[in-house]
Amino acid sequence: AQSVTQPDIHITVSEGASLELRCNYSYGATPYLFWYVQSPGQGLQLLLKYFSGDTLVQGIKGFEAEFKRSQSSFNLRKPSVHWSDAAEYFCAVGGGGADGLTFGKGTHLIIQP
Amino acid sequence: DTGVSQDPRHKITKRGQNVTFRCDPISEHNRLYWYRQTLGQGPEFLTYFQNEAQLEKSRLLSDRFSAERPKGSFSTLEIQRTEQGDSAMYLCASSSKTGTAFEAFFGQGTRLTVV
Repeated sequence: AQSVTQPDIHITVSEGASLELRCNYSYGATPYLFWYVQSPGQGLQLLLKYFSGDTLVQGIKGFEAEFKRSQSSFNLRKPSVHWSDAAEYFCAVGGGGADGLTFGKGTHLIIQP
Repeated sequence: DTGVSQDPRHKITKRGQNVTFRCDPISEHNRLYWYRQTLGQGPEFLTYFQNEAQLEKSRLLSDRFSAERPKGSFSTLEIQRTEQGDSAMYLCASSSKTGTAFEAFFGQGTRLTVV
């Protein structure tokens, strides 16, 4: 069965500091990996995705993520966070077909001034 | 078309009542998904459609839950005889094939409160 683990429930980062959110997945075949962001009371916005090819993928809002097959990880990074980045971040895995995605429980990002 | 639209945004209902939610996907997308999200959790996949065909429904939470997409455009999710445990955010997503995989776009969700 597929699963996603986001080990950090909450992360607090100072504005302007760098950020890394961790994601580990379990999937029996070639994984298709996603990071979504959710602001309070809102739906999910896709930040970036990995399907194949270059293992370092660039997304919107200055985010990037690196796929490491050997570590079953897909960590999200940003070199300098802004107060507007405060939100809930979800990592998800799918098979690239029509099945639904499996999400992690999310990491709540708090930005300190 | 500006994205996936869900209606209503909020619904408060009494226990035992039936509720129905609507989702309008991005117009050119042929796949449509329903998810449930409870507080502090990630979205949980419920069901999906390709055009009007419901290709996966084993993950619906109980036989009180049903979904339709009669003409392959909008979809409805119905919960019969609601229970307090049904209180959650119900999210709809749509997708079309991007490269070799499907990239899903989510609506803003319908928040259900059962009192």
